[in-house]
Amino acid sequence: GAVVSQHPSWVICKSGTSVKIECRSLDFQATTMFWYRQFPKQSLMLMATSNEGSKATYEQGVEKDKFLINHASLTLSTLTVTSAHPEDSSFYICSANDRDEQYFGPGTRLTVT
Amino acid sequence: QKEVEQNSGPLSVPEGAIASLNCTYSDRGSQSFFWYRQYSGKSPELIMFIYSNGDKEDGRFTAQLNKASQYVSLLIRDSQPSDSATYLCAVAPNQAGTALIFGKGTTLSVSS
Repeated sequence: GAVVSQHPSWVICKSGTSVKIECRSLDFQATTMFWYRQFPKQSLMLMATSNEGSKATYEQGVEKDKFLINHASLTLSTLTVTSAHPEDSSFYICSANDRDEQYFGPGTRLTVT
Repeated sequence: QKEVEQNSGPLSVPEGAIASLNCTYSDRGSQSFFWYRQYSGKSPELIMFIYSNGDKEDGRFTAQLNKASQYVSLLIRDSQPSDSATYLCAVAPNQAGTALIFGKGTTLSVSS
């Protein structure tokens, strides 16, 4: 199947700083990528849909100025968590569609101290 | 609000038994249905997808879809301890290429 990578796999940052997470489709092009967040023992919650060459679409309750998404190419989308706070600590997972199947990246565990 | 419901479990089965995982969804217009397996601390891994009513088999896994009842299930035959994980049911609201709506997952424990 298709491969989606994420970097970094984990990051620890101090409260108030910003963190950038990269999501890449390695062997296919993705005009659309999705960003999910998963808190412990919870399911994946869609944060936003990243569209190549245009603005991302954010789900209700997700602050677009806090979670900046840039989909600069057909293989790369980035999520920047700005002014991170401890409540932003979570598992962030991106995904991309290759034809009819959606493939997930390995996830990035963010811990804000 | 579109919802996907799963029994959180845990579902415990002995090695070699059949594990049955169930899922219901609220949006009658949903088109595609997926089962993902997620190990602790890892990202979801696609097991199967199904679009049409009936059964779809892949190795030890069988997905069953009943659109009239808005119900989808996953059967795991000859369960192995390595099958112990959380199984996520996901539904695509419309055509392919859209974001998935996930259930909270069912935790399966297979004892040896």
